[in-house]
Amino acid sequence: KAGVTQTPRYLIKTRGQQVTLSCSPISGHRSVSWYQQTPGQGLQFLFEYFSETQRNKGNFPGRFSGRQFSNSRSEMNVSTLELGDSALYLCASSRDRLTNEKLFFGSGTQLSVL
Amino acid sequence: GQQLNQSPQSMFIQEGEDVSMNCTSSSIFNTWLWYKQDPGEGPVLLIALYKAGELTSNGRLTAQFGITRKDSFLNISASIPSDVGIYFCAGRGGSNYKLTFGKGTLLTVNP
Repeated sequence: KAGVTQTPRYLIKTRGQQVTLSCSPISGHRSVSWYQQTPGQGLQFLFEYFSETQRNKGNFPGRFSGRQFSNSRSEMNVSTLELGDSALYLCASSRDRLTNEKLFFGSGTQLSVL
Repeated sequence: GQQLNQSPQSMFIQEGEDVSMNCTSSSIFNTWLWYKQDPGEGPVLLIALYKAGELTSNGRLTAQFGITRKDSFLNISASIPSDVGIYFCAGRGGSNYKLTFGKGTLLTVNP
């Protein structure tokens, strides 16, 4: 069974640009969560999607948005990039939204903003 | 909101030594998950715990769900160089599906 797949693996952008990251969850998984990871802040929750609807949202500005498609694949978008957006963006999937569900991560997209 | 304190922040040990790390929560959790992350990769799930007092092993790794439901421990026995990485705890409580993560424990193993 393939794991969580994130593309692209690496991305370099400049300030002011926008970026779209993609995530394909494990087959059969319907919940997709996104996290931002930086050395100083650890894993910060961005948002979670289930059945094409955003179910949870972290404390990030509106420049960060996402969506989920009917096949459970998800994208996140960051507009008007800032230097501080440089981070490893991780996508994670789980089968359902039950409280005993395990969360499985992809390898991440390393975003560098110059 | 829920807060998780993970300690220690970092550990530097000799190969063959045992390692112990823990997480404490400000509120009761129903699920504890332990992850390991290698540099530049996503966290990999090591152990999942669902019941207070539960003790679960995965090879040289053993994790426990604290009796108070506010803490969890991860032990690594006879460490080897490939154990190097960042270990994260994560917890979930009540009806809130969202996971709360600890800040991680950076483990360095000296061969």
